[in-house]
Amino acid sequence: KQEVTQIPAALSVPEGENLVLNCSFTDSAIYNLQWFRQDPGKGLTSLLLIQSSQREQTSGRLNASLDKSSGRSTLYIAASQPGDSATYLCAVRPGSARQLTFGSGTQLTVLP
Amino acid sequence: GAVVSQHPSWVICKSGTSVKIECRSLDFQATTMFWYRQFPKQSLMLMATSNEGSKATYEQGVEKDKFLINHASLTLSTLTVTSAHPEDSSFYICSARGVWLDEYNEQFFGPGTRLTVL
Repeated sequence: KQEVTQIPAALSVPEGENLVLNCSFTDSAIYNLQWFRQDPGKGLTSLLLIQSSQREQTSGRLNASLDKSSGRSTLYIAASQPGDSATYLCAVRPGSARQLTFGSGTQLTVLP
Repeated sequence: GAVVSQHPSWVICKSGTSVKIECRSLDFQATTMFWYRQFPKQSLMLMATSNEGSKATYEQGVEKDKFLINHASLTLSTLTVTSAHPEDSSFYICSARGVWLDEYNEQFFGPGTRLTVL
């Protein structure tokens, strides 16, 4: 059974810092991996989708990497802003199933 | 990206009543829809997967007679919480996947429905 872990559970940084969020998964046979953002009381916003054949994806200040062999993904946020404060979730689509398996999330606070 | 809507966005009901939550894909046809629930400060837990025109597949531990799922069309799925109790209070989020030929297609998520059972 696929398990997804995110470290740290919470992170607080001053505005302007670059930061890295980590995601690890136990089964390397995945179709894709997604990073989401969730604001309090809201639904999920998809940030980046990495196919299993890709190693990274970039969107603006965000860069996500994928290392299938080690079962890891990172989300890099450059020049963080208070508006980046949210919970970040990673989710993998296992090779043998259709649904996403979610990590427990990292709650990010960017201090002005 | 594609848009998924949910209605209502929040609902308060009395214990013992039934509540229906709608999930719609607005600009694409969704062959598969997923229902998740999320407790405070926890991650999303998949409840069930539904395919248009067929019965939903429920995850272990989810009561199918309590959480009725109907996926009657390619743009609409409904979740009915029957005889709701306070422990059913949660944030319910639906997700939809389209009919694109590329198997690597994304899941798009609705904004969620906050259910509070008194």
